[in-house]
Amino acid sequence: EAGVAQSPRYKIIEKRQSVAFWCNPISGHATLYWYQQILGQGPKLLIQFQNNGVVDDSQLPKDRFSAERLKGVDSTLKIQPAKLEDSAVYLCASSLGTGRETQYFGPGTRLLVL
Amino acid sequence: GDSVTQMEGPVTLSEEAFLTINCTYTATGYPSLFWYVQYPGEGLQLLLKATKADDKGSNKGFEATYRKETTSFHLEKGSVQVSDSAVYFCALSDLQQAGTALIFGKGTTLSVSS
Repeated sequence: EAGVAQSPRYKIIEKRQSVAFWCNPISGHATLYWYQQILGQGPKLLIQFQNNGVVDDSQLPKDRFSAERLKGVDSTLKIQPAKLEDSAVYLCASSLGTGRETQYFGPGTRLLVL
Repeated sequence: GDSVTQMEGPVTLSEEAFLTINCTYTATGYPSLFWYVQYPGEGLQLLLKATKADDKGSNKGFEATYRKETTSFHLEKGSVQVSDSAVYFCALSDLQQAGTALIFGKGTTLSVSS
């Protein structure tokens, strides 16, 4: 079974530029999560989707971050404009539903903002 | 709000030593508890989990017991190997919250030498 796919794996941009990350969850998984992991910290939720609807985006900085999951499968996360403090690893995870199922993580996208 | 606190690292051990990584939590509801592991250059992987009080999760020689009375979920292994060198994250998921996202501790780096 294929795991969670993410691209790109690495990205370097300058501040005020825009960037987009892509995630393809495990086939059949209804729930998709985006987490931000700053160096030396644990991952922190940015947004959770159930199919193509948003369940929780309370910690998403909506003035610069946006995310969509239009067909309930893959998802994109965008940052515009980027700030220095956005340098982090962006992790995508998926699970079967909204219960206590295991979340499976992708390899992450490492973003460096200069 | 909900939170997870785990012991600061790094933890440095010799091969075959006993390992304990402490984890305590604060939750408004009745959470599920998890240990995730991140090997060098790889994504987060579920190591073990427990969904109710007194449950013991186990995998690859690692164990952790859900202790509601002490709000703890300490990770233990009787004899560590060099291949166990990784970053370990304690996490919880609380269905009382809006979503089912994981709340992570800061991570503990384990380094095992031969």
